[in-house]
Amino acid sequence: ETGVTQTPRHLVMGMTNKKSLKCEQHLGHNAMYWYKQSAKKPLELMFVYNFKEQTENNSVPSRFSPECPNSSHLFLHLHTLQPEDSALYLCASSRSDIYNEQFFGPGTRLTVL
Amino acid sequence: SQQGEEDPQALSIQEGENATMNCSYKTSINNLQWYRQNSGRGLVHLILIRSNEREKHSGRLRVTLDTSKKSSSLLITASRAADTASYFCATDGGGSNYKLTFGKGTLLTVNP
Repeated sequence: ETGVTQTPRHLVMGMTNKKSLKCEQHLGHNAMYWYKQSAKKPLELMFVYNFKEQTENNSVPSRFSPECPNSSHLFLHLHTLQPEDSALYLCASSRSDIYNEQFFGPGTRLTVL
Repeated sequence: SQQGEEDPQALSIQEGENATMNCSYKTSINNLQWYRQNSGRGLVHLILIRSNEREKHSGRLRVTLDTSKKSSSLLITASRAADTASYFCATDGGGSNYKLTFGKGTLLTVNP
């Protein structure tokens, strides 16, 4: 897990708050991913970036806004979230988006009140 | 629609026993992967098997793939309490579709 780090590990926010999740990978990978993991549901792919360019937006609501300033960093900006957005948000990276052995961070446990 | 689906949903065994988990999927694939997740943590990649491979080993893990049945199995031999975790299979969509789709997972409990 030390190859991909995520901060914060836990986040509680109100529906009107704005917060950001951060992911950093130290593996020299070029692709980065955001996933959402809710209880009793399969892992849901949200966004994919390859060489800093977004290559996948899996119909994610606009209240989630990703940012990838370089191949090592990935952010997920959150605003006006809903309680149903409470979940574990996982970041992952891989060599590229077609070499898909993925390395995951520990996740951010998000609670929206 | 969900691509990978694990079976059983939960499995409880004694330390030293073998654990077998199965995965079924719907479309053609380039490869299938198995991941492990300890409670509330990130996923850890275990093994990748390509569509032209039938069996692969890694330590105490053995993975089989039957593309005609669109199914895979993960066998953990001589299980340990530390193997307690959720296990997920992940498949891509085949061809140029490398996006991974995960199943809901099998929760394995190894009792000491």
